[in-house]
Amino acid sequence: QKEVEQDPGPLSVPEGAIVSLNCTYSNSAFQYFMWYRQYSRKGPELLMYTYSSGNKEDGRFTAQVDKSSKYISLFIRDSQPSDSATYLCANVESMEYGNKLVFGAGTILRVKS
Amino acid sequence: GAVVSQHPSWVICKSGTSVKIECRSLDFQATTMFWYRQFPKQSLMLMATSNEGSKATYEQGVEKDKFLINHASLTLSTLTVTSAHPEDSSFYICSARDFSGIPINQPQHFGDGTRLSIL
Repeated sequence: QKEVEQDPGPLSVPEGAIVSLNCTYSNSAFQYFMWYRQYSRKGPELLMYTYSSGNKEDGRFTAQVDKSSKYISLFIRDSQPSDSATYLCANVESMEYGNKLVFGAGTILRVKS
Repeated sequence: GAVVSQHPSWVICKSGTSVKIECRSLDFQATTMFWYRQFPKQSLMLMATSNEGSKATYEQGVEKDKFLINHASLTLSTLTVTSAHPEDSSFYICSARDFSGIPINQPQHFGDGTRLSIL
């Protein structure tokens, strides 16, 4: 079983729709959770990070964490064509030599105008 | 701020040659840099963690003699793929951690990746 699972999509939505992207994880030791956005042929860019269960909002983006069910979500309101990208969830795993990111495979999002 | 530059962005070379990829943090000092590999439609897989001035820590299954990492300064790390073969063709991405602030505020900043094609 992969440590972080994501539905690869693609997820196609019309412009203006609310998008829900989801991720499950298996390691209870994960404490920090992050969402990255990756455009084609580019490196990932950090969108949001959360530590505790609950919601965190930043503009059109809301990250939600439910540690009891090991489930994290990213909601995008008023989606735009420029939001079309691959969205990667990542958990932070503590190692002896420092922290490392464990990524899901990513969900491809396409927002149609 | 927090820009990571990776060079080259794309390289094509013959099987058996060695390829060096550079990763630079342009506006911050990065004590730790990370090297990832990403195959099409797959996740980023961490290859190694590189700390300035010390040997890199490789993930299980990654050949340290195949993928040589040097992190000689706080702003530069290099990955050399030695005697590259077609199966090494992939998208290699580096990241660097800005150590200002508390741990949770130390996100990894990623370069734009290097597409390596071995013929």
